[in-house]
Amino acid sequence: AQSVTQLDSHVSVSEGTPVLLRCNYSSSYSPSLFWYVQHPNKGLQLLLKYTSAATLVKGINGFEAEFKKSETSFHLTKPSAHMSDAAEYFCVVSGSDYKLSFGAGTTVTVRA
Amino acid sequence: DAMVIQNPRYQVTQFGKPVTLSCSQTLNHNVMYWYQQKSSQAPKLLFHYYDKDFNNEADTPDNFQSRRPNTSFCFLDIRSPGLGDAAMYLCATSSSPRQGFQPQHFGDGTRLSIL
Repeated sequence: AQSVTQLDSHVSVSEGTPVLLRCNYSSSYSPSLFWYVQHPNKGLQLLLKYTSAATLVKGINGFEAEFKKSETSFHLTKPSAHMSDAAEYFCVVSGSDYKLSFGAGTTVTVRA
Repeated sequence: DAMVIQNPRYQVTQFGKPVTLSCSQTLNHNVMYWYQQKSSQAPKLLFHYYDKDFNNEADTPDNFQSRRPNTSFCFLDIRSPGLGDAAMYLCATSSSPRQGFQPQHFGDGTRLSIL
């Protein structure tokens, strides 16, 4: 079985400062990991995915994540937050049955 | 652009009155999923179709049914909606897992309200 834990339920940053969203995973095999973003009243948009290639994954809108097997982590970062980054972020792991296990989500607010 | 389209975006129904939500896709993906998402929660998988094979989650209420008449369309039927069924319903698609782990592509959802 696989699962993810998002370590922060809410993150608040100032515009132009770095964003860090933390995610730890548990999986009995080499996982596929994803970060999705959800803006209010919208569906989930894929930011990036890790599928056992490069450990540093670059995504859309300046986001990137680093897969660290030794720490079972897959933290999401962005060097400079924009107002449009205010949203809900989900860390997700895919199981062998191709179903997704979602973290509880992290709400990001961006202060002007 | 290839995409997943859900209609309607907002649906209001009466307590106990059947309602159908629709999803279409132009991605030609063979797997389609329905999720329920309540306020401030992660999406919860209700069921999915792998081609024509229906796969129900063990804890999905019998009140929820689904149909997939062809590759492009999938419907969610709620036979007798209760107040607890008010939520955002998300449709997603993915290509065959035999091609490796592929991300799911989501529609914008239908927000269902129950009067």
